[in-house]
Amino acid sequence: GAGVSQSPSNKVTEKGKDVELRCDPISGHTALYWYRQSLGQGLEFLIYFQGNSAPDKSGLPSDRFSAERTGGSVSTLTIQRTQQEDSAVYLCASSLTGTGATETQYFGPGTRLLVL
Amino acid sequence: AQSVTQLGSHVSVSEGALVLLRCNYSSSVPPYLFWYVQYPNQGLQLLLKYTSAATLVKGINGFEAEFKKSETSFHLTKPSAHMSDAAEYFCAVSVLPFSGGYNKLIFGAGTRLAVHP
Repeated sequence: GAGVSQSPSNKVTEKGKDVELRCDPISGHTALYWYRQSLGQGLEFLIYFQGNSAPDKSGLPSDRFSAERTGGSVSTLTIQRTQQEDSAVYLCASSLTGTGATETQYFGPGTRLLVL
Repeated sequence: AQSVTQLGSHVSVSEGALVLLRCNYSSSVPPYLFWYVQYPNQGLQLLLKYTSAATLVKGINGFEAEFKKSETSFHLTKPSAHMSDAAEYFCAVSVLPFSGGYNKLIFGAGTRLAVHP
């Protein structure tokens, strides 16, 4: 596709349920990033992938959060036993190599998660 | 540690007026800086970036930003605001030298720009 796509665009779930958020990066981009944008907050880094490996998971807020990437392409962010404080917009971005300081990150439209 | 501070969470201007969105950075090494824009219900889009090639950087949609080392600033400006400029704007700094080799961005809290007739 032409850009980064994410699904679903909106997700409403009940507290305690598990959710999966999907990201399709731009074809050929080896670097993939997940961010969280809470109401009134800036972007909070969650995790970085280089190919299928995640050298930086430092932003994951708890062990309820996990992510994987398969085939160097699609990534899934999973939140287990969701809590109300997990409500936020989850943004995915990709870039060509991830190793250039001036390299542009291209963002998807985000998944808006609401935990009731 | 590298960081950015955006002064003013909300800015309101009249259509046709100057837009000035402030960003100050803190960095122990020469910084690489970015401005992104987020329109309602959309992802972030790159407006412009400072790569040290020139201190005045021109971006899309008539925006520009000037890197001022002495003031540790990278403010975003546009001479004449348009209604379509209403959005949230984020300043970011690359922390590549400290991230273990990849281009990790640290974002400011954002500034929401409102444009009124």
